[in-house]
Amino acid sequence: AQSVTQLGSHVSVSEGALVLLRCNYSSSVPPYLFWYVQYPNQGLQLLLKYTSAATLVKGINGFEAEFKKSETSFHLTKPSAHMSDAAEYFCAVTGGQNFVFGPGTRLSVLP
Amino acid sequence: DTGVSQNPRHKITKRGQNVTFRCDPISEHNRLYWYRQTLGQGPEFLTYFQNEAQLEKSRLLSDRFSAERPKGSFSTLEIQRTEQGDSAMYLCASSPDRMNTEAFFGQGTRLTVV
Repeated sequence: AQSVTQLGSHVSVSEGALVLLRCNYSSSVPPYLFWYVQYPNQGLQLLLKYTSAATLVKGINGFEAEFKKSETSFHLTKPSAHMSDAAEYFCAVTGGQNFVFGPGTRLSVLP
Repeated sequence: DTGVSQNPRHKITKRGQNVTFRCDPISEHNRLYWYRQTLGQGPEFLTYFQNEAQLEKSRLLSDRFSAERPKGSFSTLEIQRTEQGDSAMYLCASSPDRMNTEAFFGQGTRLTVV
């Protein structure tokens, strides 16, 4: 079985500041991990994924995430926030069948 | 490839009525998923198809909910005798039959039960 926790339901950063969104997972099998972004009244768009290759994964829009097995973590970062990054972010895990999502973190970017 | 398509985008229905949603996955994708998302929450898994076979159903999928995927192509999700608690965004996703790939999501159907 898999599960995901995301620490912080709401994160606020200033434009140009570092973005750090936290994700911890639990999985009974080697996991595949994903970060998705969701804008209001839209579906989910993939930002990046970890599929057991490189532990540091780069995604779209300047986001990256690092898989740390010892910490069961897959935190999402971006060096410099843009106003357009304001959205809901979801971490997800799969063991090969259905995808289990975390509760999400809403990112606000302040001018 | 036009992506995952869901219809309708919005549905308002009276309590007690039946509703049906349709999902057209990406054409070569064998796997199809339904999720429900309420405001401020992450998507909750409802059910999963591999081709036409429904392989997994969540306990969230009460006997008022039924999903089908005839011929392994499009899928429908029906809710019978809708309740106000059914108000949510219903998301469909599809993926190829591989371990290391993501799910591709549609825009969702927003259901409001009044």
